[in-house]
Amino acid sequence: NAGVTQTPKFQVLKTGQSMTLQCAQDMNHNSMYWYRQDPGMGLRLIYYSASEGTTDKGEVPNGYNVSRLNKREFSLRLESAAPSQTSVYFCASSLSGDTQYFGPGTRLTVL
Amino acid sequence: GENVEQHPSTLSVQEGDSAVIKCTYSDSASNYFPWYKQELGKRPQLIIDIRSNVGEKKDQRIAVTLNKTAKHFSLHITETQPEDSAVYFCAASKSSASKIIFGSGTRLSIRP
Repeated sequence: NAGVTQTPKFQVLKTGQSMTLQCAQDMNHNSMYWYRQDPGMGLRLIYYSASEGTTDKGEVPNGYNVSRLNKREFSLRLESAAPSQTSVYFCASSLSGDTQYFGPGTRLTVL
Repeated sequence: GENVEQHPSTLSVQEGDSAVIKCTYSDSASNYFPWYKQELGKRPQLIIDIRSNVGEKKDQRIAVTLNKTAKHFSLHITETQPEDSAVYFCAASKSSASKIIFGSGTRLSIRP
């Protein structure tokens, strides 16, 4: 099992560009999450999907959109990137909202 | 909503000594308390967890204790080693919720 995978690993954008971060899990988990982690900081929840077909805002949703494409995949979209969105983005999944398994992260820089 | 506070934010201990990290939570309905370790440049990984029907759980050099009355739980690492250097996050969740709430993290450094 690959667990939770994320693409890309690294990305550099210019202000105003858009992009989609991809996440997939092969553990048949119901819930999926997107976090951002700024340097030296903790994990902040952007959006989550408790089950296929549902999505909810987390602590810092502004500037992002998500799509739960199917049970395996949960994507995060930045429509118009800003320097304040420079961060490391982690996707995570869990079977029922407790133990979360994290992907390797995407390092995003917005110039 | 649920709030999880974690202390200290940084901790430096001599190799071989013990380290203790403490967390408090606000929602008395919380019943699941995991601890994650994040090494530099890596993803957070679960190292131990405890549920509210248990007061203490051990796994080799790490242990977690839970005091439901006081609403706090702690991570204990004994005989610390250089590879224990990392950021540690506590978290709390409840059965009815679909997400967990993380503490702000503790950066643990082990001095040789």
